[in-house]
Amino acid sequence: DQQVKQNSPSLSVQEGRISILNCDYTNSMFDYFLWYKKYPAEGPTFLISISSIKDKNEDGRFTVFLNKSAKHLSLHIVPSQPGDSAVYFCAASGRGAQKLVFGQGTRLTINP
Amino acid sequence: EPEVTQTPSHQVTQMGQEVILRCVPISNHLYFYWYRQILGQKVEFLVSFYNNEISEKSEIFDDQFSVERPDGSNFTLKIRSTKLEDSAMYFCAQGGLSGGAGTDTQYFGPGTRLTVL
Repeated sequence: DQQVKQNSPSLSVQEGRISILNCDYTNSMFDYFLWYKKYPAEGPTFLISISSIKDKNEDGRFTVFLNKSAKHLSLHIVPSQPGDSAVYFCAASGRGAQKLVFGQGTRLTINP
Repeated sequence: EPEVTQTPSHQVTQMGQEVILRCVPISNHLYFYWYRQILGQKVEFLVSFYNNEISEKSEIFDDQFSVERPDGSNFTLKIRSTKLEDSAMYFCAQGGLSGGAGTDTQYFGPGTRLTVL
């Protein structure tokens, strides 16, 4: 049951450039989408979210784009910094504090 | 970001033993969740808890699992008779602010690494 998919297991980006992480979903009942960052042996850290009524949300270097017709969202990080190296998870939920459904994660490596 | 704390950070147990994992909640958050991540796999939902009741559970959350708030504060996950395949990182999460802001953001604790031998 892969309702949320991150097709790229890894991504390598030069420091200062833009990192783009992608996520696809299949369940049209999803109402809220989130990105988490995770280091080994730590819990997921919330980065940014977007409601289904919006198509873009920005917070500092992080921007999330939502394309509902394509059931696709992406996370843009610009400029990328070495501290951004981590595993990034996309997650989705229905309305009203429902469970999160996670993608498999993308390991982002920022090269100096 | 609000801080959720969990104890212990690492638990080693023998197969068939009972374990209790604990989570210290953040005030003003109404919903509690447990998730787990088996090594190399994605984070999976186990159970959600609201108003002292289970609100949703996954097929993973069978009769061997239970959750409660024994003293109205800490939130616990109990596994009655552990199996080898229960070895994973277990994360507590909280969400749903009492202020009615309607946020669905969930904040995760650092996790408990459970190793079943």
